[in-house]
Amino acid sequence: GENVEQHPSTLSVQEGDSAVIKCTYSDSASNYFPWYKQELGKRPQLIIDIRSNVGEKKDQRIAVTLNKTAKHFSLHITETQPEDSAVYFCAALLISGAGSYQLTFGKGTKLSVIP
Amino acid sequence: DTEVTQTPKHLVMGMTNKKSLKCEQHMGHRAMYWYKQKAKKPPELMFVYSYEKLSINESVPSRFSPECPNSSLLNLHLHALQPEDSALYLCASSQVARGAEQYFGPGTRLTVT
Repeated sequence: GENVEQHPSTLSVQEGDSAVIKCTYSDSASNYFPWYKQELGKRPQLIIDIRSNVGEKKDQRIAVTLNKTAKHFSLHITETQPEDSAVYFCAALLISGAGSYQLTFGKGTKLSVIP
Repeated sequence: DTEVTQTPKHLVMGMTNKKSLKCEQHMGHRAMYWYKQKAKKPPELMFVYSYEKLSINESVPSRFSPECPNSSLLNLHLHALQPEDSALYLCASSQVARGAEQYFGPGTRLTVT
């Protein structure tokens, strides 16, 4: 099965600074890597994703990079704002033996943006 | 409609009770999922339904019984739960395809007393 490692577990940044969260995965067959943001008491919300045929993707202040050779991917948030404070989960998608698609999550990073 | 709905939002049940959690989506997705999430932990996959058939059961105890009556609905039947089963139960759905986004419902906060 897939194993996803995520670092750091907590991250505090000053408002306006950048934040970087890194993940590694174990199974080279994984081909889709979403990032979810979860605020306290709410559902995980997909914020950006990247597929294995792409090296980088950007959406306004958020970007994700993927290095297939090294099996790692990263989330970059620029010009952080207090509303970016949340827990962020990376994940990797793998097709199971039963033919279904299975997401494996990292353990999460609690991001705090200090005003 | 890009929303997954879940009922109830909160549920408190005793260890001898039988209850059900419900999930619904109208996005035409043919894969639906149940996850369990404990505080400060990532979602943990329990079951996957693909085209209304159970395709993954992650060694979940039999006191949890999933059901997919049609392509829009997913239920989770609960019986004789333990206090350690208290958690947020999340439903999700997606297309059955490589790289398909999973959309999560708001979850049911379950407390077992």
